[in-house]
Amino acid sequence: KAGVTQTPRYLIKTRGQQVTLSCSPISGHRSVSWYQQTPGQGLQFLFEYFSETQRNKGNFPGRFSGRQFSNSRSEMNVSTLELGDSALYLCASSFFVAGDYNEQFFGPGTRLTVL
Amino acid sequence: QKEVEQNSGPLSVPEGAIASLNCTYSDRGSQSFFWYRQYSGKSPELIMSIYSNGDKEDGRFTAQLNKASQYVSLLIRDSQPSDSATYLCAVNAVVGGAQKLVFGQGTRLTINP
Repeated sequence: KAGVTQTPRYLIKTRGQQVTLSCSPISGHRSVSWYQQTPGQGLQFLFEYFSETQRNKGNFPGRFSGRQFSNSRSEMNVSTLELGDSALYLCASSFFVAGDYNEQFFGPGTRLTVL
Repeated sequence: QKEVEQNSGPLSVPEGAIASLNCTYSDRGSQSFFWYRQYSGKSPELIMSIYSNGDKEDGRFTAQLNKASQYVSLLIRDSQPSDSATYLCAVNAVVGGAQKLVFGQGTRLTINP
């Protein structure tokens, strides 16, 4: 079974630009979560989507947004990029069922550099 | 207090020895706990999940959970140089049906040949 895929793998942008990252979950997985990883803050939760609905959102400014499509693929968008947005953006998918026992599997990530 | 705490290390262990990684968490209602391994420049890879008190073994890896003490650990037996990586402890926080993983800062492990 194919794993989680993310595109693009690397991006270089300048301050003020916007960027869109894409994630395709493992086949059959309907929950997609996004995380930001930086050396200083570690792995931070951005948001989670399930059945095209954002169910949970982390403590990030409104410049960070996302969406999920009917095939469970997800995109996240960052507008008005700042230097501090340079990070590894990770997507994780899970076969979510009601309850608390859901393993999340990560994609390879998108390395975003803001100049 | 951080929600999930790990000793950042680095932790250095000789090849063939047992590596012991520890994690504490603050939310007493947490039910799901995970260990991820992350090699430098790569994404986290799930290596163990544990939901009940006690030990769970998978090959050279053993996860231990003590909910009363809010403590999770990972033991790696017969450590190999390929085990050198950062190990991330994660706790699944479920609120109103929505889930998110809360991660510790990670422990950097080095296995010395």
